[in-house]
Amino acid sequence: QVQLVQSGAEVKKPGASLKVSCKVTGYTLTELSVNWVRQAPGKGLEWLGGLDPELDETIYAQKFQGRVTMTEDTSIDTAYMELRSLTSEDTAVYYCATVGDTPGGSGAFDIWGQGTKVTVSS
Amino acid sequence: EIVLTQSPGTLSLSPGERATLSCRASQSVASTNVNWYQQRPGQAPRLLIFGVSTRATGIPDRFSGSGSGTDFTLTISRLEPEDFAVYYCQLYGSSPLLTFGGGTKVEIK
Repeated sequence: QVQLVQSGAEVKKPGASLKVSCKVTGYTLTELSVNWVRQAPGKGLEWLGGLDPELDETIYAQKFQGRVTMTEDTSIDTAYMELRSLTSEDTAVYYCATVGDTPGGSGAFDIWGQGTKVTVSS
Repeated sequence: EIVLTQSPGTLSLSPGERATLSCRASQSVASTNVNWYQQRPGQAPRLLIFGVSTRATGIPDRFSGSGSGTDFTLTISRLEPEDFAVYYCQLYGSSPLLTFGGGTKVEIK
C-alpha cells in the first residue's frame, strides 16, 4: 500500500527558505507523480506544482514560479519541495499528493501525505 | 486561465437530506479530468469522484458526480453525519495544469 510520509512541522522567519520532504513507502518514487498542495489557515486548497506524467517534467503554478523548486532523490524514494523568500502569507499546511489507483493522467490524487504545518513569523 | 467557482459557499442541511454542490468553470472544459474531494477538519483531502462521475475506491454510492462543459455537480443523495465537511472540485489538464475551486462547506442545519 502506497503511503506518503512528510517531514515535521516547521517555524520559519520571514525571508527564510523552507524545504519539506515527502517519503514514499510501499512503492517506488519513479513510478509516481508527486504534486504539492497547500492550505492556509481557514482557506481552500492551492496547488504549487508537480510532475506532469505526460511531459515527464515538473510544472509549477505561475504564482510560485521562481520561488519554488521541486526535486526528487530516487535513491531514497523521497520528494522535496523548497519554497524561498517566505512571508507570513506562506503560513499553511503543505501536502504532497499523488495518483495511486486512479488513471495516471487524471490528476485525481487518491494518496496524500499527512501534511506539514509551516508557520512563518518573526 | 480557467477559474473554478463553487457554489454555494455554505450549504446548511439536515441528515438524510440531499445535497447538490455546483462547480462552474470560467470557460468550457475540454478535459474530463474534473475531480471532487472531501475534507474534514484537521484531515487531508479525500478523493471522492474522478473523471467527472467515477467514484474512487471505497466511496459510497450516495456520492455521484455529473456535468460537462462549464457546469459540474456533486450530489450526495442522503446526508450521513460523516458527510458534513468541506468539498472541493478540481480540474486537471488545462491551463493552469491544475486548479481547485474555492470549496463548499456542508454544515448541519
